[in-house]
Amino acid sequence: KAGVTQTPRYLIKTRGQQVTLSCSPISGHRSVSWYQQTPGQGLQFLFEYFSETQRNKGNFPGRFSGRQFSNSRSEMNVSTLELGDSALYLCASSLGILGGDGYTFGSGTRLTVV
Amino acid sequence: AQSVTQLGSHVSVSEGALVLLRCNYSSSVPPYLFWYVQYPNQGLQLLLKYTSAATLVKGINGFEAEFKKSETSFHLTKPSAHMSDAAEYFCAVDTGGFKTIFGAGTRLFVKA
Repeated sequence: KAGVTQTPRYLIKTRGQQVTLSCSPISGHRSVSWYQQTPGQGLQFLFEYFSETQRNKGNFPGRFSGRQFSNSRSEMNVSTLELGDSALYLCASSLGILGGDGYTFGSGTRLTVV
Repeated sequence: AQSVTQLGSHVSVSEGALVLLRCNYSSSVPPYLFWYVQYPNQGLQLLLKYTSAATLVKGINGFEAEFKKSETSFHLTKPSAHMSDAAEYFCAVDTGGFKTIFGAGTRLFVKA
């Protein structure tokens, strides 16, 4: 079956712009989680969605937002980009009904802010 | 609050030697524990998971991990390292709050 698909793979944006990243989960997975990965901070949890509802949110400013659609696809948006937002953004899907499923990750979107 | 500590940001072993990557967790409730592997420019891949069944868990690529509640540990081992095992490994904990916490990662180097 198809894996988790993230688009685009690479993005270069200018400070102050906004960006939207997309994630299509594995068919049948209703939970989508987003993580920011940087060399200094490691993997930081952004948010988790299940059936179009945000169930948990990490400690990020309000510039970071997300949503999930009825087909479980998810998008995250970052507004007013800062240099520090440069990172690999990873999307992960799971069944999401019980804990302990484990994630299937996409290959990520590499965002560079200049 | 739950947390994960991986001892050693870098581990180097010779090909054919034992691989041991250490992970300790902190959780107020019985956790679900995971090990993931990440190759360069890729996402993470699930190696194995502990979900309160057997304490010794076998995963892909010959890796296994043992859950030790008394030591709050979940160390990852492989009897014989292969060059293809060179990657970054992450230990993670999920306490059922719709959020998985990852350790800082351990980069494994395998010498020929």
